[in-house]
Amino acid sequence: KQEVTQIPAALSVPEGENLVLNCSFTDSAIYNLQWFRQDPGKGLTSLLLIQSSQREQTSGRLNASLDKSSGRSTLYIAASQPGDSATYLCADRGGSNYKLTFGKGTLLTVNP
Amino acid sequence: EADIYQTPRYLVIGTGKKITLECSQTMGHDKMYWYQQDPGMELHLIHYSYGVNSTEKGDLSSESTVSRIRTEHFPLTLESARPSHTSQYLCASSVGVNTEAFFGQGTRLTVV
Repeated sequence: KQEVTQIPAALSVPEGENLVLNCSFTDSAIYNLQWFRQDPGKGLTSLLLIQSSQREQTSGRLNASLDKSSGRSTLYIAASQPGDSATYLCADRGGSNYKLTFGKGTLLTVNP
Repeated sequence: EADIYQTPRYLVIGTGKKITLECSQTMGHDKMYWYQQDPGMELHLIHYSYGVNSTEKGDLSSESTVSRIRTEHFPLTLESARPSHTSQYLCASSVGVNTEAFFGQGTRLTVV
């Protein structure tokens, strides 16, 4: 059974700092990995999708990497802003039903 | 911008009532999913569909049922709501397996 772990569970940083969120998964036979953002009481907003054949994807201040062999992905956020405060979730897609398996998320707080 | 909509956003209902949570998408996606999320916990897949007239149960056992009569519509029904059903329900859709999954804003259900 696929398990996804996100470290740290919570992170508080001052505005302007660069930071890295970590995601690890137990089964490397995945199709892709997706990073999401969730604001309190809201749904999920897709940030980046990395295919299993790719090493990284970039969107603005966000850069996500994928190392399938080690079962790890990282989300790098450059020059963090208070508006980046949210819970960040990673999910991999795999298995016979192509489902997304989620981690518990990292709660990020960026202080002005 | 994801075109996937959930109604209602919030619902408070008495024990024993029948409820239907609506989910619609205008992107023509074949795959649709229902996830359940308790506060501070990860998302768990409760139902999914690969297309019209296709429905399957997910990993987390749920007393809810779903139907997929039209591509764009994937409602979830609870025949008799109980306090244990109190949770957030999130609907998602995707086309194929190598593309992004998009989520609705969620329905926060409280059964009293």
